[in-house]
Parts: sequence; C-alpha cells; structure tokens
Amino acid sequence: AQSVAQPEDQVNVAEGNPLTVKCTYSVSGNPYLFWYVQYPNRGLQFLLKYITGDNLVKGSYGFEAEFNKSQTSFHLKKPSALVSDSALYFCAVRDGTGTASKLTFGTGTRLQVTL
Amino acid sequence: DAGVIQSPRHEVTEMGQEVTLRCKPISGHDYLFWYRQTMMRGLELLIYFNNNVPIDDSGMPEDRFSAKMPNASFSTLKIQPSEPRDSAVYFCASRAQGSYNEQFFGPGTRLTVL
Repeated sequence: AQSVAQPEDQVNVAEGNPLTVKCTYSVSGNPYLFWYVQYPNRGLQFLLKYITGDNLVKGSYGFEAEFNKSQTSFHLKKPSALVSDSALYFCAVRDGTGTASKLTFGTGTRLQVTL
Repeated sequence: DAGVIQSPRHEVTEMGQEVTLRCKPISGHDYLFWYRQTMMRGLELLIYFNNNVPIDDSGMPEDRFSAKMPNASFSTLKIQPSEPRDSAVYFCASRAQGSYNEQFFGPGTRLTVL
C-alpha cells in the first residue's frame, strides 16, 4: 500500500517568515500527491496536487509544494506566513487504481503562525 | 454548486441509540467517501462508493456501522447501537471520475455519544 509520513506534529513560525511543512512518501510507481488544509470546525480543503511535470506545484492561498523524487518528499511551502494560515495540514497520496482508488492521508501537521 | 452537504452538523445522543448521518455529494460526482476523525486516531477512511456501489468497507470498525447509497445524490452512515467511543467528527467527501482523486469534503457531523 502507498503511504505518506508527516514527521512533525506541529510547526511554529512567526508571521512574515517562510514556512515549510514536511511530507515524505512511499509508493510503488509514479505518485499522485496532495495537500489539504483543515481550518477549525471545517472539512478538509484541497490546496494543491502533483501528478506529473514540473516539480514545483503552485496552489491556493500562495502555497506551493516541491516534489523531490530522490528524497521521496513533497514538502509544502509558503514564502511569507500569515496568522490566518494557522490550521491543520494533511499530505495525501493516491492509493490504488481505477475504481479501487482512494487517498491515504498522513497524520496531519498543525501549523501555528504567531505575530 | 453548494458543495458536499452533511446533516446534521451536530448530534448528541445517548449510548445505545441509533444514529443516522446523511450526505449529499456534489452533483455529477461518481465517488463518495465516509471518514471519521478523532484526536487519537486521526483521519480514518470508513467506506467508499463508486456509482452507488460499495468498493471498500474495510475501514468500517464493526458491525454496528453500516452505510448505504440508494442513489447518486444521497448516502447514509448508520450506527446502531451507538457507544461513547463512536464520538468523533464524521466527514463525507466526493469526487468525480478521472479527477486525479481530488476529493471535496463536507463540513462534517460532530457526534457525541453520552
């Protein structure tokens, strides 16, 4: 089965500083990778995905992610953090093909941005 | 589009009672997923459907849980009888065929079993 790992339970960053939320993956074949964000008392929202092509993927709210095949990583980044970015972030990978296709999510990383 | 709709948003019930959670997926989406989120276990996939047919229910915790999708616009997740350990937020999500697995989540139902 495919899997992703998020090694940090929480990331703290000051507003205006760059942020990175880490994700590594373990897959057979070419990975389909995703980032989702969950704000308090809300469902998960899609941020961005990597399917193929350019290793730097741009998404919503100024976020981007870098696919690194040699390091099997897909870290989420933003050049300048905002307090409003504080939320729970999930990395996910496609697991299965065809109709038996689902997303396997990581354990989540809580991002706390402070003034 | 209104997005994925879930009802109720909050449910408080007593142990032993039957609980039914409802979901309306985005129109035109072929897949529907039910997840459970708790602090202890994180986000768990319970079951998912393709064209109203259950594809994988291996995440359903036990026989007390059942899910149906009688048509393309409606699904239910039922717990009978409910137990305090079922307290969690239950999410429904849907996606379209060929969408590279991009799922759209509903707002969730927060279930508390006393």
